Amino acid sequence: EIVLTQSPDFQSVTPKEKVTITCRASQSIGSSLHWYQQKPDQSPKLLIKYASQSISGVPSRFSGSGSGTDFTLTINSLEAEDAAAYYCHQSSSLPYTFGQGTKLEIK
Amino acid sequence: QVQLVQSGAEVKKPGASVKVSCKASGYTFTSYGISWVRQAPGQGLEWMGWISAYNGNTNYAQKLQGRVTMTTDTSTSTAYMELRSLRSDDTAVYYCARGAYSIDYWGQGTLVTVSS
Repeated sequence: EIVLTQSPDFQSVTPKEKVTITCRASQSIGSSLHWYQQKPDQSPKLLIKYASQSISGVPSRFSGSGSGTDFTLTINSLEAEDAAAYYCHQSSSLPYTFGQGTKLEIK
Repeated sequence: QVQLVQSGAEVKKPGASVKVSCKASGYTFTSYGISWVRQAPGQGLEWMGWISAYNGNTNYAQKLQGRVTMTTDTSTSTAYMELRSLRSDDTAVYYCARGAYSIDYWGQGTLVTVSS
């Protein structure tokens, strides 16, 4: 089973700050890595698919990069509404797996 | 618009079974797989498995093998997830979602509580 390790687990940030969340896979997964945002008491929402492909309707301040084992989700100019948990997810090898999540708090 | 509407909350005793439904609309049901993901209280997301709505092929998480069955009814565009021999650590919100790989639409979630 491929283990995805996110860092940090928690981050407290101020509006307009740039945020970087990383996801490291225990073995190479190519570009089969997706990012989700989950706000409290809501279902997850797809932000980025296949490492760097943007999703219609998602603000352009969200971007993704990486391949192989190391991936990054970047949020440029953070807004208050970005307070949420963020998860990476791999669909390269069964069983598919999620990272443990990163909780973003807005100061 | 794409919608996945799940059945309501359930309370079950240990050892019982639960079957959660997920009715899809707004797209061609057989063109996408349906994934099931669960989230224990205060915890992260756990991939449970997925089913092809086209041919019914399934892949399950190994830890759930033998206890979980995913099915679809193409005549009603509905997916089902049955979990048997429930334990207290099966208490979670269960989500159905469209897609086998990147998951682009999610249901509202169904809370399943296992308690004696």
